[in-house]
Amino acid sequence: DAGVIQSPRHEVTEMGQEVTLRCKPISGHNSLFWYRQTMMRGLELLIYFNNNVPIDDSGMPEDRFSAKMPNASFSTLKIQPSEPRDSAVYFCASSPGGGKNIQYFGAGTRLSVL
Amino acid sequence: QQQVKQSPQSLIVQKGGISIINCAYENTAFDYFPWYQQFPGKGPALLIAIRPDVSEKKEGRFTISFNKSAKQFSLHIMDSQPGDSATYFCAATSLGGGGNKLTFGTGTQLKVEL
Repeated sequence: DAGVIQSPRHEVTEMGQEVTLRCKPISGHNSLFWYRQTMMRGLELLIYFNNNVPIDDSGMPEDRFSAKMPNASFSTLKIQPSEPRDSAVYFCASSPGGGKNIQYFGAGTRLSVL
Repeated sequence: QQQVKQSPQSLIVQKGGISIINCAYENTAFDYFPWYQQFPGKGPALLIAIRPDVSEKKEGRFTISFNKSAKQFSLHIMDSQPGDSATYFCAATSLGGGGNKLTFGTGTQLKVEL
């Protein structure tokens, strides 16, 4: 298995632009997580899905952030409009569930908002 | 009550020495405590995990010590090697809570010097 695949690996954009981050979880996993990592705040859980349904989005910073999971093999995290303070590394992780409480992380997307 | 407090923030150890990272939690519902290891440019990866029915778990040079009454757990890396230089995160979850949601500590940057 190729693991969790995230794209793009790097994204540089200007303030006010829309940014879309993509994630393909490991096949057969039923939980998907979006995290943001910064030096100041560490690793923050933004939102997670079980069986494609959003369960907890309390970590989403504000309405500019939205996440979707239209099917079991794809999820997006969108920021519109982007701001410089959104600059961070965004990770997607998936988990098999069923009592196997291991999260497998992708390599992340490094976002820079100028 | 959902926090997991981790210390130290950074740690420098000589090759062959013992690295010790500590974590504390408040939520007594937590019943699964994994440690994740993250190398630069990569996503975190599961290193070792423990459940509170045991006080210690060892895998190779890595050992978790768990003190249920104090609500503390720690990671010990014996015979530390330069290849162990990474950021380490402790985490906690309630297996009965569903969804595999993990609460992460703030991370410890470990550097092992020759």
